[in-house]
Amino acid sequence: QQQVKQSPQSLIVQKGGIPIINCAYENTAFDYFPWYQQFPGKGPALLIAIRPDVSEKKEGRFTISFNKSAKQFSLHIMDSQPGDSATYFCAASMQENTDKLIFGTGTRLQVFP
Amino acid sequence: EAQVTQNPRYLITVTGKKLTVTCSQNMNHEYMSWYRQDPGLGLRQIYYSMNVEVTDKGDVPEGYKVSRKEKRNFPLILESPSPNQTSLYFCASSSGMVGGGTDTQYFGPGTRLTVL
Repeated sequence: QQQVKQSPQSLIVQKGGIPIINCAYENTAFDYFPWYQQFPGKGPALLIAIRPDVSEKKEGRFTISFNKSAKQFSLHIMDSQPGDSATYFCAASMQENTDKLIFGTGTRLQVFP
Repeated sequence: EAQVTQNPRYLITVTGKKLTVTCSQNMNHEYMSWYRQDPGLGLRQIYYSMNVEVTDKGDVPEGYKVSRKEKRNFPLILESPSPNQTSLYFCASSSGMVGGGTDTQYFGPGTRLTVL
């Protein structure tokens, strides 16, 4: 079963828009929620991450919003640029799972000039 | 340059012909993993290793083998590949535990495997 559900599957926005990618999880033991960015032909790279003790985290134009009670978290990209066009994966892990990340299914973002 | 390398980057093979995908990291990381990426399924962990000679199954280990004889290398072995193993494979490494956010996983560039 899919433990981390991600939507939408694809997203098209114009430059300057604010794409939002949503993820939902079921296991309340998850305590770390990273987002990975993947460009074509490359491996995923860590973009930003959050723990459930905060509701929001910003790094540059990227913001994670976290709703613990709803078991949902989302990625917002402010002032999106064509260079942000990539596939984005949310993920989750538990402290006791020493080297395990559960990934969402991915969102392909295209930002047009 | 700190990196994770994989070889080959592209491979087309036939059912039943044993193959090995190599993975090497130059960051002296203890933890290494193999993932497969399939459309609509995201990345799923195949195997992971916490140190030399220490490996364990991930979510989808069937049909795969791994070994960790040296810290820097973590090859993925398909003894008898089948068409359902056609996928994009990624190797990853980290210096500490990824779970809980203790450390960051660094991914290789990927190996696209096609099994006919």
